Amino acid sequence: AQSVAQPEDQVNVAEGNPLTVKCTYSVSGNPYLFWYVQYPNRGLQFLLKYITGDNLVKGSYGFEAEFNKSQTSFHLKKPSALVSDSALYFCAVRDLNSGGYQKVTFGTGTKLQVIP
Amino acid sequence: NAGVTQTPKFRVLKTGQSMTLLCAQDMNHEYMYWYRQDPGMGLRLIHYSVGEGTTAKGEVPDGYNVSRLKKQNFLLGLESAAPSQTSVYFCASSYDITTMNTEAFFGQGTRLTVV
Repeated sequence: AQSVAQPEDQVNVAEGNPLTVKCTYSVSGNPYLFWYVQYPNRGLQFLLKYITGDNLVKGSYGFEAEFNKSQTSFHLKKPSALVSDSALYFCAVRDLNSGGYQKVTFGTGTKLQVIP
Repeated sequence: NAGVTQTPKFRVLKTGQSMTLLCAQDMNHEYMYWYRQDPGMGLRLIHYSVGEGTTAKGEVPDGYNVSRLKKQNFLLGLESAAPSQTSVYFCASSYDITTMNTEAFFGQGTRLTVV
């Protein structure tokens, strides 16, 4: 069975500093990986995805994620954090050949707090 | 462009009452989904639909029913609400055949409390 682990419930970072939100995954075939962000009282918004190709994926709002096959990780990064980045971040995965979102497994979420 | 719209946004039910949550999407997506979000558990799939007139069970379907009579609408029903169904419910849609875009778009959520 596939799974996603977000080992940190909360990450605190000072405004202007680089941020990393960690994600590791387990899937039987090739992974199709996603990051979503959830602002308070809102639904999830798509940030970026990895299917194949370049291991560094760029997404919305200046975020990027690095796919590392040997470490089965897909960490979310941003060079300089903004207070407005404070939100709940979800990593998700499915097997590339398994079909639609009904096969996607979501992580438990990491709360990012950017301190002014 | 409204995207995915859920109604209602908030609801309090008494144990044993029934209700229907409505999800509407205006993106001509083929697939629609209902998730529940509980603290520390991420999103769990309740039911989904891969096209008008079709439905299928997800990870946690017990106590819920769904219908997709029209492509743009996906209804989630609770026949006899239980306190364990207190949660935030999200609808999502995906897959545009025209553009082949497979990203999922989520509604704003329905916060349901069962007392």
